Amino acid sequence: AQKVTQAQTEISVVEKEDVTLDCVYETRDTTYYLFWYKQPPSGELVFLIRRNSFDEQNEISGRYSWNFQKSTSSFNFTITASQVVDSAVYFCALRVMNRDDKIIFGKGTRLHILP
Amino acid sequence: DVKVTQSSRYLVKRTGEKVFLECVQDMDHENMFWYRQDPGLGLRLIYFSYDVKMKEKGDIPEGYSVSREKKERFSLILESASTNQTSMYLCASSRGFSANTGELFFGEGSRLTVL
Repeated sequence: AQKVTQAQTEISVVEKEDVTLDCVYETRDTTYYLFWYKQPPSGELVFLIRRNSFDEQNEISGRYSWNFQKSTSSFNFTITASQVVDSAVYFCALRVMNRDDKIIFGKGTRLHILP
Repeated sequence: DVKVTQSSRYLVKRTGEKVFLECVQDMDHENMFWYRQDPGLGLRLIYFSYDVKMKEKGDIPEGYSVSREKKERFSLILESASTNQTSMYLCASSRGFSANTGELFFGEGSRLTVL
């Protein structure tokens, strides 16, 4: 069975601090994709990043970075020098390639950036 | 701008009423999805569709049905709304399986309250 666990329900940090959102996934399949989505207060989930299971390179995009480690089945997301606009709910998700097109979401982490 | 549009941002209905939630995408995507989002439960898949007139049950289909008569439109139907269907409903679309890395495009959500 596939599963995505985001153990942090809610996190609050002061602006300009760094923050890491954890994501642990479970799958027996060797080919899969991992995702992060952001849901700002407006409600619409916005795609942030996709990673396939064969590419363990970490990725950096501006203040955002992602650390994918197959050995620990984790795909963690770090925001550096956080800003108030980063306040949102963040979802980690998993898609297994030899299944249908269902994507399994974690329960989300609500991030509060305090001014 | 590519878009997934949900017909109503907010609805209030009474128990037993029939409810239609409409979703339209302009990206010519093959796949469309309906999720519901509840605090502490994350996103749960209700139904999805790979093609016109095709539908597949997700994880929580009970009490819901769907209709996909045209490629761009995917409707969620609550035949007889109940209070436990009070939730945020999110529609999403993605490209077809052969071209699909899994990225979902979401609408802004429809917040349904059943009294």
